[in-house]
Amino acid sequence: KQEVTQIPAALSVPEGENLVLNCSFTDSAIYNLQWFRQDPGKGLTSLLLIQSSQREQTSGRLNASLDKSSGRSTLYIAASQPGDSATYLCAVRLIANAGGTSYGKLTFGQGTILTVHP
Amino acid sequence: GAGVSQTPSNKVTEKGKYVELRCDPISGHTALYWYRQSLGQGPEFLIYFQGTGAADDSGLPNDRFFAVRPEGSVSTLKIQRTERGDSAVYLCASSLVGPLNTEAFFGQGTRLTVV
Repeated sequence: KQEVTQIPAALSVPEGENLVLNCSFTDSAIYNLQWFRQDPGKGLTSLLLIQSSQREQTSGRLNASLDKSSGRSTLYIAASQPGDSATYLCAVRLIANAGGTSYGKLTFGQGTILTVHP
Repeated sequence: GAGVSQTPSNKVTEKGKYVELRCDPISGHTALYWYRQSLGQGPEFLIYFQGTGAADDSGLPNDRFFAVRPEGSVSTLKIQRTERGDSAVYLCASSLVGPLNTEAFFGQGTRLTVV
């Protein structure tokens, strides 16, 4: 069974700092990995999607890396701003198999609550 | 519509009652997903529809939970004989084709409280 763990559970930083959020997963047979942002009382917004054959993806101040063999991904946020405050979730999509895993299922970590204070 | 719409946004029900949660996906999206998120946890997969059929219902916790999508657009998640442990935010998402290489867009969720 795939398990996804995110460290730290919560992080508080002053504005302007660069920071790293960590995600680890137990089953390396993944199709892709995705980072989401969730604001209080809201749904999820996709930030970055990394295919299993890729090492990293970048979007603006965000950079996500993937090391499939070690079961790890990191989300790097440069020059953090108060507007970045949210919960960040990592999710993996396993390669579908006859045992019942379908491509439709994302397995999420529990999230990292980020607070960026002015 | 402009985004995935879920109704109601909040639902309080008594233990033992039946509830229905509705999801209106983005127009034209053929794939639809239901997840459940408990407080302080990440979302847990419940069921995935491709068109009208459930392609994967392996996440439904027990036979009190059932979901339909009769015309391949709107979906309803149905919970019978609700229990306090069913309290959570129920999230719906849709994607244009299938789950591969097409982004899933999430709704804001329905917060279900069973008292």
